[in-house]
Amino acid sequence: ETGVTQSPTHLIKTRGQQVTLRCSSQSGHNTVSWYQQALGQGPQFIFQYYREEENGRGNFPPRFSGLQFPNYSSELNVNALELDDSALYLCASSLDRDRDTEAFFGQGTRLTVV
Amino acid sequence: DAKTTQPNSMESNEEEPVHLPCNHSTISGTDYIHWYRQLPSQGPEYVIHGLTSNVNNRMASLAIAEDRKSSTLILHRATLRDAAVYYCIPQNQGGKLIFGQGTELSVKP
Repeated sequence: ETGVTQSPTHLIKTRGQQVTLRCSSQSGHNTVSWYQQALGQGPQFIFQYYREEENGRGNFPPRFSGLQFPNYSSELNVNALELDDSALYLCASSLDRDRDTEAFFGQGTRLTVV
Repeated sequence: DAKTTQPNSMESNEEEPVHLPCNHSTISGTDYIHWYRQLPSQGPEYVIHGLTSNVNNRMASLAIAEDRKSSTLILHRATLRDAAVYYCIPQNQGGKLIFGQGTELSVKP
């Protein structure tokens, strides 16, 4: 039990639609990162939020966006869904941005785009 | 971001030690070496991390080469629950983890 919860656990959307995934971090953790994991691959870093500001982004287009709220919750929004967006989406919370900080992952949201 | 090289898969017998190697020859001097594992159908789980010295915790030990270009995760007595994909990740920013393909560890009873 990591104390990081994600909702929903599973979701099916149609190509072209928009989706919002939610994450509740551990209390006191001011850093949240989002990852996309395709089947059989390692997780890929999407972006990180620190104190409600974006703090780094991986190789993902602008239709992937996020928000972080003062109550340690966060959202990942994906617009104009494509079939290749089907994946497991993971959020991870960290106490801060230091190099020796560990990340606590949620169980993920399985998104299927049809 | 530093690149890592790990064996695609390894096999172990239950109750025996397992040594999981990782090469990270391009690691910067200030990156910490983190290890995570991912059990089937779960999110990744932190295992251990270190900078220069060898590290021990209740889950595992981490041996870091003197030149820091490689490290080895040691599970002292493998159990069936240790079957997972293990990732070594040089980390230069807390929470920003660049995962490679990892090593899939299978444990035989």
